[in-house]
Amino acid sequence: EVQLVESGGGLVQPGRSLRLSCVASGFTFDEYAMHWVRQAPGKGLEWVSGINWNSGALSYADSVKGRFTISRDNGKQSLYLEMNSLREEDTAFYYCVKDSFSWHYFDSWGQGTLVTVSA
Amino acid sequence: EIVLTQSPGTLSLSPGERATLSCRTSQSLTSNYLAWYQQKPGQAPRLLIYGASSRANGIPDRFSGSGSGTDFSLTINRLEPEDSAVYFCQQYGTSPALTFGGGTKVEIK
Repeated sequence: EVQLVESGGGLVQPGRSLRLSCVASGFTFDEYAMHWVRQAPGKGLEWVSGINWNSGALSYADSVKGRFTISRDNGKQSLYLEMNSLREEDTAFYYCVKDSFSWHYFDSWGQGTLVTVSA
Repeated sequence: EIVLTQSPGTLSLSPGERATLSCRTSQSLTSNYLAWYQQKPGQAPRLLIYGASSRANGIPDRFSGSGSGTDFSLTINRLEPEDSAVYFCQQYGTSPALTFGGGTKVEIK
């Protein structure tokens, strides 16, 4: 069974940084692209960033480009999101998501971790 | 960036009825690369349909997807109370930006 467990969320002041982590199990981690998708409370889904299996291809939504950095450690079966210069509009649940292959649909989701950016 | 427009915003139906949800894309999708997700309150989204019409593992055959080009739909036959949720469509035909529709809320009376 695929499991994705996020951690690292919390309350942070505007302009500060936060690092999210996701530990994966139940599948061969280094064979799949992985993504972060966020959802502001009561709102829709927004793709944030994706990384291919060997970290050779990284992509970001325009809303986070230059501020967020995605990375992965295949040996630790882990996905990360380094978030800098946080803004109030970054407040959301952040989901770690498994791609079905590489930039396709998302076949497994973590339960999410809440990031609240507020003074 | 491809924009996805879902309609209606909310659908209120009775158990046993059929729900038809629409997702329109601003550009024609490569190979009908469109997926549907179901999200119940307090839960993460769950994959229902991929490739516009293929059901994901474990999804009841009451759920079906159809469409091509820029017009897609999700049909839920014989609605059950547990189908109450928000449904999102997502395109993966154009990399790298993967975009979602705004969602349709299905309420069961």
